[in-house]
Amino acid sequence: LAKTTQPISMDSYEGQEVNITCSHNNIATNDYITWYQQFPSQGPRFIIQGYKTKVTNEVASLFIPADRKSSTLSLPRVSLSDTAVYYCLALPVFGKGTRLSVIA
Amino acid sequence: SAVISQKPSRDICQRGTSLTIQCQVDSQVTMMFWYRQQPGQSLTLIATANQGSEATYESGFVIDKFPISRPNLTFSTLTVSNMSPEDSSIYLCSVPAGSGYTFGSGTRLTVV
Repeated sequence: LAKTTQPISMDSYEGQEVNITCSHNNIATNDYITWYQQFPSQGPRFIIQGYKTKVTNEVASLFIPADRKSSTLSLPRVSLSDTAVYYCLALPVFGKGTRLSVIA
Repeated sequence: SAVISQKPSRDICQRGTSLTIQCQVDSQVTMMFWYRQQPGQSLTLIATANQGSEATYESGFVIDKFPISRPNLTFSTLTVSNMSPEDSSIYLCSVPAGSGYTFGSGTRLTVV
């Protein structure tokens, strides 16, 4: 099972774009990269998933280079409500997550 | 995507006792995953439960401590046995759904 590594925490001001990068050097050929968001006292919530190149949805964009050894979650114009822990994972194994704090 | 009903949402238990957590899914799924999330920590996979076969446990977790049942494709239980305060955590079940996984709302267990 692929192991992922991501920054423990990040701070950002409201309205800024936030990029969280995750490394997954031993990702398997058939593994997708999935990002989840978790608020306190709630279960994780799916944000986005990709295999290669770029994926965009109404919430975020995900960039995965050709070697697939890393991925970057991009959150455009964050707001205070985006303060949460963000997990990069090759399901079903979770990494330690990045605690994002959005500051007014 | 699948909807999971997880019970109980929380419980306070005496040490040495056992608690069984239930997850009911609104659709048939082959695989179901059980996680533990200790305070301030990430989710740790306990085991994978497939219908019709024994659960597969991750390193550090054993069947005697966390027996799992999977009687059909929509239901599973996880029992936390002979509890100690170190078992105080949130326990979550999860199933594959669409592009990712759907999670239950979690069971917050406090052992006193």
